[in-house]
Amino acid sequence: DAKTTQPPSMDCAEGRAANLPCNHSTISGNEYVYWYRQIHSQGPQYIIHGLKNNETNEMASLIITEDRKSSTLILPHATLRDTAVYYCIVRYLTNTGTASKLTFGTGTRLQVTL
Amino acid sequence: EAQVTQNPRYLITVTGKKLTVTCSQNMNHEYMSWYRQDPGLGLRQIYYSMNVEVTDKGDVPEGYKVSRKEKRNFPLILESPSPNQTSLYFCATCSLDRLNYGYTFGSGTRLTVV
Repeated sequence: DAKTTQPPSMDCAEGRAANLPCNHSTISGNEYVYWYRQIHSQGPQYIIHGLKNNETNEMASLIITEDRKSSTLILPHATLRDTAVYYCIVRYLTNTGTASKLTFGTGTRLQVTL
Repeated sequence: EAQVTQNPRYLITVTGKKLTVTCSQNMNHEYMSWYRQDPGLGLRQIYYSMNVEVTDKGDVPEGYKVSRKEKRNFPLILESPSPNQTSLYFCATCSLDRLNYGYTFGSGTRLTVV
């Protein structure tokens, strides 16, 4: 699986957009970009994933560069409850139903402040 | 409500005393997995199971056993716990039909071996 690089920590003011970057320069064609977050010591929570195109759901937006070597997770209006460790993970999926496991790095600790 | 239930949430035990951490899911997911989380090391996969009676080692299987006799349960067994197995443990599940939608994690079991 491709290795990802994330900044260890970031701060964001409540109500502002939080933009969390991730580098995955060795990503291959069938590898997806996933984002999870872990609030305190709870179980990680799936946020969003994508292959090539930008994706948006009720939690966040995912922007993937055209060369797919980096991506950005955007929380459009961060709240205190978004304070967590955010993990960017690349993982391959095939159309025959196989997938690599999720391999978690150390992530980015996002602190949302008043 | 779809959920992954781990028990116990907290456990303190002594070296060598066999213990079992249970994981149960109500989503009819085929795939189940155990992770451990340690400071500075992130989440590492211990064992996983693609379906009933099918299990395989993850990255750190030493000192652990698992079984998958029925689809909903995937217990983690420590036959002779040692202090280096003190950790935060998570069970995760996924439907093989919807691999691309990520994993659902349990709330975690904090184990201390003294």
